[in-house]
Amino acid sequence: ETGVTQSPTHLIKTRGQQVTLRCSSQSGHNTVSWYQQALGQGPQFIFQYYREEENGRGNFPPRFSGLQFPNYSSELNVNALELDDSALYLCASSPPGAAMETQYFGPGTRLLVL
Amino acid sequence: DQQVKQNSPSLSVQEGRISILNCDYTNSMFDYFLWYKKYPAEGPTFLISISSIKDKNEDGRFTVFLNKSAKHLSLHIVPSQPGDSAVYFCAANHRDSGGGADGLTFGKGTHLIIQP
Repeated sequence: ETGVTQSPTHLIKTRGQQVTLRCSSQSGHNTVSWYQQALGQGPQFIFQYYREEENGRGNFPPRFSGLQFPNYSSELNVNALELDDSALYLCASSPPGAAMETQYFGPGTRLLVL
Repeated sequence: DQQVKQNSPSLSVQEGRISILNCDYTNSMFDYFLWYKKYPAEGPTFLISISSIKDKNEDGRFTVFLNKSAKHLSLHIVPSQPGDSAVYFCAANHRDSGGGADGLTFGKGTHLIIQP
């Protein structure tokens, strides 16, 4: 069984640009959550998608947006990049009706904004 | 305002001894707590959890203790093994938040180093 995969693994952008990060859920998982982990911090919840709809959102501005596709893969889009957006972005998927502990995290995409 | 705090950035323990990782929280609405382990270049992996209706949960070498009145939990690993060297994150959630998911609230992590 393939786990959660994320692409790209690393990315460098400049301030003001836009970026799209991708996540492929584990097979059978219909819920995807995105987290931002800044250096020296714990992961911070951005939002969650369930059946292609946003199902909850953390304290992030609207320039952070997402999509979930019919195959349950997901994208995180960030517009107007700021230096503070430099972080590791983690995607986690979970199966239908799952308890919180059954979130499976991908290895993350490391974004550097210059 | 950090709602989940892990005040020890790092902890060094000898192989075979007990490792104790601590976590404090401020949000009294949290009713479910989890510990994750993270190796470099990998995503966090779930280790053990505890509901607020319990004060202890055990799984093999790992035990989590919850003190609700003190808003404190701890993870005990005994005996500690070299493969336990990793960053450990404490996380919390309010299961009955209603109106959609609010994700997990994580601490900053504690880097556990097991010395031979």
